[in-house]
Amino acid sequence: KQEVTQIPAALSVPEGENLVLNCSFTDSAIYNLQWFRQDPGKGLTSLLLIQSSQREQTSGRLNASLDKSSGRSTLYIAASQPGDSATYLCAAALLEAGSYQLTFGKGTKLSVIP
Amino acid sequence: ETGVTQTPRHLVMGMTNKKSLKCEQHLGHNAMYWYKQSAKKPLELMFVYNFKEQTENNSVPSRFSPECPNSSHLFLHLHTLQPEDSALYLCASSPVLAGGPRYNEQFFGPGTRLTVL
Repeated sequence: KQEVTQIPAALSVPEGENLVLNCSFTDSAIYNLQWFRQDPGKGLTSLLLIQSSQREQTSGRLNASLDKSSGRSTLYIAASQPGDSATYLCAAALLEAGSYQLTFGKGTKLSVIP
Repeated sequence: ETGVTQTPRHLVMGMTNKKSLKCEQHLGHNAMYWYKQSAKKPLELMFVYNFKEQTENNSVPSRFSPECPNSSHLFLHLHTLQPEDSALYLCASSPVLAGGPRYNEQFFGPGTRLTVL
């Protein structure tokens, strides 16, 4: 059974800092890995999706990397801003016998201090 | 706005009530999902529908009953719930259940915050 772990559970940084959020998964046969952002009491917003054949994806100040062999993904946020404060979730997708499932981590709660 | 809407946004119900959650997607997607998000736990997949056919039921109690009348609408019918069912229920959709690059990226609605008294 796929398990996804995110470290740290919470992170507080001053505005302007670069930061890295970590995600690890136990089953390396993933189909893709997706990073989401969730604001308090709200739904999830997809940030980046990395296919299993890719090593990284970039969108603006965000860069996500994927290392399937070691079961790890990182989300790099450059020049953090207070608006980046949210919970960041990673989800690993498995595709087996036509069944597609996302397994989520518990998330990292990020606070960017002005 | 992700193109996925959910109603109601908040719901308080008693253990003997019957209510329904509604999800609608305006993205032309063919796969839809229900997830449950409880405090301090990861999101849990409940049900998956692909072209209106249910493909996954992750051992969800029968007091939760999904319905997918067409590819744009998904319902979750609730009855005789327990207080531990209080959670944020999220609906998501993707172009297809699985396929080529980016066809399975999931887009989420804002969720329904359910409180069972």
